Amino acid sequence: AQSVTQLGSHVSVSEGALVLLRCNYSSSVPPYLFWYVQYPNQGLQLLLKYTSAATLVKGINGFEAEFKKSETSFHLTKPSAHMSDAAEYFCAVDHGSSNTGKLIFGQGTTLQVKP
Amino acid sequence: NAGVTQTPKFQVLKTGQSMTLQCAQDMNHNSMYWYRQDPGMGLRLIYYSASEGTTDKGEVPNGYNVSRLNKREFSLRLESAAPSQTSVYFCASSDPLAGLTDTQYFGPGTRLTVL
Repeated sequence: AQSVTQLGSHVSVSEGALVLLRCNYSSSVPPYLFWYVQYPNQGLQLLLKYTSAATLVKGINGFEAEFKKSETSFHLTKPSAHMSDAAEYFCAVDHGSSNTGKLIFGQGTTLQVKP
Repeated sequence: NAGVTQTPKFQVLKTGQSMTLQCAQDMNHNSMYWYRQDPGMGLRLIYYSASEGTTDKGEVPNGYNVSRLNKREFSLRLESAAPSQTSVYFCASSDPLAGLTDTQYFGPGTRLTVL
């Protein structure tokens, strides 16, 4: 069965520093992987997704993630944090059932950006 | 396009009361989903509907019922609310038939408190 683990429920960085949010998955089939962001009091919106076309995926707002099959990881990075990046980030993997679109979400990581 | 809309935005219920959360999407998506979000637990799938006329249980269906009224609308009903159902509820939609797994689009959420 598919599952997702996000390492670290809270990450704090200084403005301008590297952002690294960790996500590991388990999947019995080649996975489709997603990162979503949730700003305070809002719904989730897609940052980026991996669908096997390329292992390095670029998303919105300068974020990118690299799919590493050998490490079963899909970590999210951004070279330089901005105050507006403060939010909760969720990694998700598709359920594996054909044509239902179901996703399994990690527990989430709250990113704090300090001035 | 409004995307995914949810009503109400906030609701306070007493234990044992019933209510229905409404969700509608205008993107002509086949699949719709109801999640609950609790601190430290990410998003958990309550029910989903892979297409009009079908519904299936997700990870945490107990205490809930759903109706896929038509392709646009997917409602979630609490027949007898309990304090454990205090949560933020999100509706989402996607069109997995458009690709193997497609992006889920989320509504703004309903914040429910059960006293």
